[in-house]
Formats: sequence, C-alpha cells, structure tokens
Amino acid sequence: EVRLEESGGAWVQPGESLRLSCAASGFTFDDYAIHWVRQAPGKGLEYVSGIDYNGENTYYGKSVKGRFTISRDTSKNTVSLQMGSLRDEDMAVYYCVRGSTIAVKYNYFDVWGSGTLVTVSS
Amino acid sequence: DIVLTQSPESLPVSLGEAATINCKSSQSILYSANNKNYLAWYQHRPGQPPKLLIYWASTRQSGVPDRFAGSGSGTDFTLTISSLQAEDVALYYCQQYYNTPYTFGQGTQLEIK
Repeated sequence: EVRLEESGGAWVQPGESLRLSCAASGFTFDDYAIHWVRQAPGKGLEYVSGIDYNGENTYYGKSVKGRFTISRDTSKNTVSLQMGSLRDEDMAVYYCVRGSTIAVKYNYFDVWGSGTLVTVSS
Repeated sequence: DIVLTQSPESLPVSLGEAATINCKSSQSILYSANNKNYLAWYQHRPGQPPKLLIYWASTRQSGVPDRFAGSGSGTDFTLTISSLQAEDVALYYCQQYYNTPYTFGQGTQLEIK
C-alpha cells in the first residue's frame, strides 16, 4: 500500500522550533518529489515546501522561506521539515504529499498523508 | 503568484442532480509546448486528507468514479459531478501546478439540498 505518515506535530510557543517527519512506504521513494501542504483552522490549503527526488532542489512558499528547511533521507525513505521562528499563523494541520514527478516543479499531489497538527500558542 | 478563484463558495445540490464548480485562474495555465493545462482538482472530506480527483484539467485519477469530470482550458475550468451522491459532500479545491508557488483555490463546499 502506498503510504505517507507524518509525525512530530505538537504544541509550541511563538518563536520556538519544531521538526516534522514524513515516512514513506509502498513505492519507490527515489522516483518522486515530496512536499508539505498545510491547512490552518478554518482556512484553505496552502503550499509550504517541496524537495526533489534526490534532495538537490528545494522550494519554499513565501510565508515560510528563511524559517523552514526541508530535507530528505533516501536511506530511510523519510522527509523532514525543520520549522523555526514559529508564528501564530503557522498553526495548522501539515500534510506530507507525494508529487507527480521527480522534480520539485510541475507537480500535482497524488498521495496525501493523514496530517499532523502543529499548534502555536502562548 | 497565480491566483485561483473558485465559484460558488457554497453549493447546495439535491441527490442525483448535477453539481458544477468553477475555477478561474489569474493567468493562463495552458503550456503551449505540450498543450496541457496544469490544473488539478481535490476532494476534502471532513476528518480525511484531501484526495486527488482530476489532473491535467480533465484526466481522472485511478479509482475516481466516472461521475466526476473536469473540463476547461487556459484560465477557466470546471469540475462537474453528474449525479450527486451522499458521499460527495466535501470541500473541493482546484490547484495549479504551472508555476511555483503552487496555489489552490479557496475551496467550494458541496452540500446536500
């Protein structure tokens, strides 16, 4: 079964850091880009970040650029999202999603994890 | 950034009737070199992750019922559900992948009338 499973969601205070992880299984991990998409409470879907098949190319949405870092470990079939300087507006369910190509661009998202909740509040 | 505007925001439809959701892009997302529209549709049911329904504007994802159909080109796109079933109650989003940052429409809530 093709599967993405997120972990690491937690409650943090503004300004703190958090690391999310995404474990992939059931497909050839090296054949796909992996991305993060989030949904804040009562809001729509927002693209966060993506990484290509070998980790050489990454992309960040404007609202997280400079604060978040995406990486992948091909030996463990995992993707991580290191989130720093967290703000109230970063509070959301974070979904790990599989892109449709090896590149970070030109992807639709064909497999979604169940999501992990990040709460940012003082 | 490419802005996608969906209409309507909320759509009440009777069971068995057709439902039509529109998505308008702020610029063309048709790539002339391959004549493909870089647009996808997703269904988001409460308590579940979003699910890919349609890509390349009109290609149905494997396993998606054929009552779901995507159409349109350039800047104007439509998702049509030919005969609404109870399990189709959900939020529906369009997404463009023509350019980064990837962007989504604001969503359309489909409900039973």
